[in-house]
This record gives sequence, structure tokens and C-alpha cells, in this order.
Amino acid sequence: AQSVAQPEDQVNVAEGNPLTVKCTYSVSGNPYLFWYVQYPNRGLQFLLKYITGDNLVKGSYGFEAEFNKSQTSFHLKKPSALVSDSALYFCAVGRSNTGKLIFGQGTTLQVKP
Amino acid sequence: EAGVAQSPRYKIIEKRQSVAFWCNPISGHATLYWYQQILGQGPKLLIQFQNNGVVDDSQLPKDRFSAERLKGVDSTLKIQPAKLEDSAVYLCASSLGGITEAFFGQGTRLTVV
Repeated sequence: AQSVAQPEDQVNVAEGNPLTVKCTYSVSGNPYLFWYVQYPNRGLQFLLKYITGDNLVKGSYGFEAEFNKSQTSFHLKKPSALVSDSALYFCAVGRSNTGKLIFGQGTTLQVKP
Repeated sequence: EAGVAQSPRYKIIEKRQSVAFWCNPISGHATLYWYQQILGQGPKLLIQFQNNGVVDDSQLPKDRFSAERLKGVDSTLKIQPAKLEDSAVYLCASSLGGITEAFFGQGTRLTVV
């Protein structure tokens, strides 16, 4: 089975503060993990991915994510949040043999000035 | 590079009517996905194609939904007959396959009244 959980429906942070959006996963075999962002009335935009190698992955717009195999987590982080980061964020897990991509329920990030 | 193209952007139909959505993936992308995104939820995979073959359609309501990808390029998703609960955004995505990231179109917002 293949699944993703995003335990927080919404995360609120003040501009300039660090942010974390949580994600845990379940998949047989090696996990391939992704973060996407969705702005209102737009499609999903790819932010970053973990395939193998360094557990800290850097992506677009200053975002990074930390892969933790023992905790089966892939949390999205940013050292200093911007108001423009306010959006809906989705974590996804893929399987290499099929390319099947399953998404979590999403977390709304609200950054206040 | 052109992105994933979807049409129409918006569609309003009455229940029990039929509707079709069209997707043109990024050139050279072998894998094509159709997702259903109900308001407030994460994208749910309906069907995944690898070239013109179906890889996964386990979540496709086959009594009313159908999809095809002729010649391994463009794809159409059809609903017949539509129900109120089919109101959602239908997202098409494509990728090179395997563990590569998927690129999404802007989606078609379907309202069934």
C-alpha cells in the first residue's frame, strides 16, 4: 500500500519566522517523495523531491525538506517565511516501478505580515 | 517548453448529462495522470497511462468514467452520466515516467447541477 498523511490542515506563521509543514508516508520499498504547491485557481507546481542521497533536499523558492527514514517523514521547511508563501501545500509519495503518485490531503500555509 | 494543456477550463452541466475533458501532455512525456480534486481535499488518482497503456485505474468509477490515450499522446476523460458528487477540479499531469516529477495542467473545474 502507498499513502501519505499531512496531519495539519493549516499552519500559521509570522513573516520572517521559520516554517515547517509536516508529512509522513507509507510505501513498500524505497520511497520517492515530492512536495507541490498550489495557488488559488492554479494547477500544482513542483517544489522539490527526494529520490536518494542527502536527507536534506533543497528546492524552489528557498524551500527545503528533510527525509527521515526511521520516522517515515518528509517535512517541508523554510528558514524565513514570506507572505507570498501563503498557499496550499501537498506532499506526495511515488513508486519507482510504476510511477504511481499518491497525494496527501494538503496543508494550508498562512503567513501573516 | 509548453506545459500541460487542458480544456475546457470550466464546465457546468446538469446531472445525468455527459462531459469530456481533454489533455495534451508535455512532449515526450510517456506517463499521463488524471486526478480528481474535490474542494478541500488532495488530488485523487483516477487513472495513470504509460504511453497508451493503462498502468493503474483502481480508483476510476468505471460504471460512469472512462479515459483513453490514443497514440500515447493526448488523452480524454469522459463522465457519463454525471452525478452531483462529480463536481470537482480534474487535473491532468504528465511525466517522463518512473521517479521523475509530474507536471500539472491548470485543471478543468466541473460543476454538476
